[in-house]
Order: sequence, then C-alpha cells, then structure tokens
Amino acid sequence: EAQVTQNPRYLITVTGKKLTVTCSQNMNHEYMSWYRQDPGLGLRQIYYSMNVEVTDKGDVPEGYKVSRKEKRNFPLILESPSPNQTSLYFCASSSAIAGMSNQPQHFGDGTRLSIL
Amino acid sequence: AQSVAQPEDQVNVAEGNPLTVKCTYSVSGNPYLFWYVQYPNRGLQFLLKYITGDNLVKGSYGFEAEFNKSQTSFHLKKPSALVSDSALYFCAVRAPYGNNRLAFGKGNQVVVIP
Repeated sequence: EAQVTQNPRYLITVTGKKLTVTCSQNMNHEYMSWYRQDPGLGLRQIYYSMNVEVTDKGDVPEGYKVSRKEKRNFPLILESPSPNQTSLYFCASSSAIAGMSNQPQHFGDGTRLSIL
Repeated sequence: AQSVAQPEDQVNVAEGNPLTVKCTYSVSGNPYLFWYVQYPNRGLQFLLKYITGDNLVKGSYGFEAEFNKSQTSFHLKKPSALVSDSALYFCAVRAPYGNNRLAFGKGNQVVVIP
C-alpha cells in the first residue's frame, strides 16, 4: 500500500530537548515536504526536498532542520524546541518530473507536538 | 510569492443542496491549483487539480472545480452535498516555474446538516 509514515504520532516534550520526527515514503517519490498546521493559518511549508541531498527552505524554516540522505526518508529535526513550535506537523511526498512537481502530494497522518 | 485566500471560515449547507467552497489565488504566471480534504485526525487527501486545459476539472467523490483566470479563482463545487462531506477543505497553489513551494489557504470547515 502506498503510504507516507510519520513517527511519532504524538509527542510531549520540554523546551530545549532535541527531537526528530521521522518521515518515510514507499512510492519512490522525488519530492518530499514538511508542513505545520496551526488554527486559522492553514498549512505552512517548513522545508522541502526535490531529491536526495537537495533541500530548500519553505515559508517558515526557522528553528527546524531537515536532511535527505536517502530517497525514502526525510526527517524533521528540532535542535532546540520552543513552545511556539507546538503544532501539528505533516510530511508529504509526490513525484517530480524535470525538476518540477505538479503531481498531487500524499500526506502522512500527522504528528502532534507539544513543547512545554 | 504565491498565496491563496479562502474567505470563509465555515460553510454550512443542508444535505442534498449544492456545496461551494471559495478559493482565490495570487501567483506569477499560470498556476498549478489543487484541492485537498482533511478528515479528523488524518492527513490531507487529494481531491483534484488544475494544471492546464479544460477550465472545469472533475475529481474524487463527485467534486469539481472551475478555474477562472480573469477572477483568479478556483472554487470547489459539489452538486449535492452528503453528511460525509463534512470536513476541512484546503486550496493550494504552486507557480509553474522557479521553486516548488506550495502555498495553502487557511482552510474551510464544511458542515453538512442532515
């Protein structure tokens, strides 16, 4: 079954404690992306990646890091989490042709992070 | 930079009545436009997209959307709403060149009343 898998689904942690949210897709997609969803703000893109070792900033990259060492995985790293990063996070992937992605994205089921 | 406006926070409609969810966009060049739906505790699911061609696009679950370039709109429609259509709907836009950033609207809660 084609899917995007995020872990953990829920996490409560404290300010400053480094955490990683993993994302894995089994569709051999080139394009992967991270979003955060906040009430009244919709989804905002944090980082995206067009392929292995190619990443770029989205609209709200501050406080986050990503890596793309393998095609299937795209972890989101919070080096020093703060309460304003409490949010619902989604990973997504899609195929890309000639460096552009106009294909629909497949989303994971989300990770709810609470930073105390 | 590209952006999307979904002017209504919530859309209430009686079951069996037509459903419309509004979306306007701003982007340089011809847009790539998408609609997604989100059910509680789930990720977004793709409904339909406009890339080029016919302005009326048909998608999943009986939904369709009309691209209107002069009004920069891409409204989502369904002729007869079902209670199961109650969900959060997102419009998204990407520019046809340059970066691959996808801009989402803030979402519309649709409530279909039995």
